Amino acid sequence: GAVVSQHPSWVICKSGTSVKIECRSLDFQATTMFWYRQFPKQSLMLMATSNEGSKATYEQGVEKDKFLINHASLTLSTLTVTSAHPEDSSFYICSATPGQLNTEAFFGQGTRLTVV
Amino acid sequence: DAKTTQPPSMDCAEGRAANLPCNHSTISGNEYVYWYRQIHSQGPQYIIHGLKNNETNEMASLIITEDRKSSTLILPHATLRDTAVYYCIVGAQKLVFGQGTRLTINP
Repeated sequence: GAVVSQHPSWVICKSGTSVKIECRSLDFQATTMFWYRQFPKQSLMLMATSNEGSKATYEQGVEKDKFLINHASLTLSTLTVTSAHPEDSSFYICSATPGQLNTEAFFGQGTRLTVV
Repeated sequence: DAKTTQPPSMDCAEGRAANLPCNHSTISGNEYVYWYRQIHSQGPQYIIHGLKNNETNEMASLIITEDRKSSTLILPHATLRDTAVYYCIVGAQKLVFGQGTRLTINP
């Protein structure tokens, strides 16, 4: 199946700093990518929909100024956690679809963020 | 919000068929049923999806009731590596995850 790659796989940062996570579709073009967050023992929570060439659409309760999403090309979306705090520590996962409706989404391997 | 209901946990013996149920009584006409699974600390893995016909691939079979209000994922010969959380999701493109079923395959 198609491959979606996230980088880094894990990162530790200090409180107050910003962290960028990359999500790449390696063998297909993704007009739409999705960002999720997952806390321990919980399900994935959708944070935002990232659309190539336009602004991301954020789910209710997700701060757009804290979680900056950029989808500058058809194969790359980035999530920047700004001014990170320990409560932002989580597992961040992206997914991408080739663009057509009702096709399967492919997920990255996830990025574990720890803010100390 | 998630639009599916799944049992929180299930057990199955290795080598047996694992049948995972899912209720999606509010599914709309253009929404597909997707199944994914997540092994600890990894990204979800796609299993199968369908609209109204039963589907089969190398991993599993998907049985969707005629009224489309429920479905069953079947892993025909479960192995220990099938231990994971299984998510049933209905949608068109944006996938909203529920709590899933934690399937444990026992030797």
